[in-house]
Amino acid sequence: GNSVTQMEGPVTLSEEAFLTINCTYTATGYPSLFWYVQYPGEGLQLLLKATKADDKGSNKGFEATYRKETTSFHLEKGSVQVSDSAVYFCALNGANNLFFGTGTRLTVIP
Amino acid sequence: EPEVTQTPSHQVTQMGQEVILRCVPISNHLYFYWYRQILGQKVEFLVSFYNNEISEKSEIFDDQFSVERPDGSNFTLKIRSTKLEDSAMYFCASSLGTGVGSYEQYFGPGTRLTVT
Repeated sequence: GNSVTQMEGPVTLSEEAFLTINCTYTATGYPSLFWYVQYPGEGLQLLLKATKADDKGSNKGFEATYRKETTSFHLEKGSVQVSDSAVYFCALNGANNLFFGTGTRLTVIP
Repeated sequence: EPEVTQTPSHQVTQMGQEVILRCVPISNHLYFYWYRQILGQKVEFLVSFYNNEISEKSEIFDDQFSVERPDGSNFTLKIRSTKLEDSAMYFCASSLGTGVGSYEQYFGPGTRLTVT
């Protein structure tokens, strides 16, 4: 079946630190992979996506590469800002729905 | 920019009562979804809806749950007789399609349901 395992949080970093949030998946077939972000008081927003193996999704300085050999889609950012504080969700698509990880809360301190 | 809206933002109800959670999807979207997140747990799929019928549902979506698109804009989730374990954040989402390039799901801010 489909499932997503995500790095446990919370994660606290200083501004300009390097961020990695790990995500691995199990899936039947070849899903597309996503990172969603939820800022305080808001809904889930698509941050980036990758639709096939070796694709790299990127947005707002965040990147993630679809690694079929390690079934991973780790989220990285070279230099985080206070405004990146949010909850990050890794997800993959089924036929008509998304399968999410538990979410990782990131707090960036000045 | 168009967005999905949900009301209310927080609903408190007593066990056994019926609740209706409301969502207004993005106007030209055709697929609608409900998800929930119990505190500290994964976001879980409940149901997807297309062309006025359920296209897929999870094992969570039992006879106590129903969905409806009563008019051209609203999409509702009804829980007939709430249980304590229904306490969760409920997210509505919509998408233009389900094929590659059109499957991005846009989420609302959620309704926090508390059952006492």
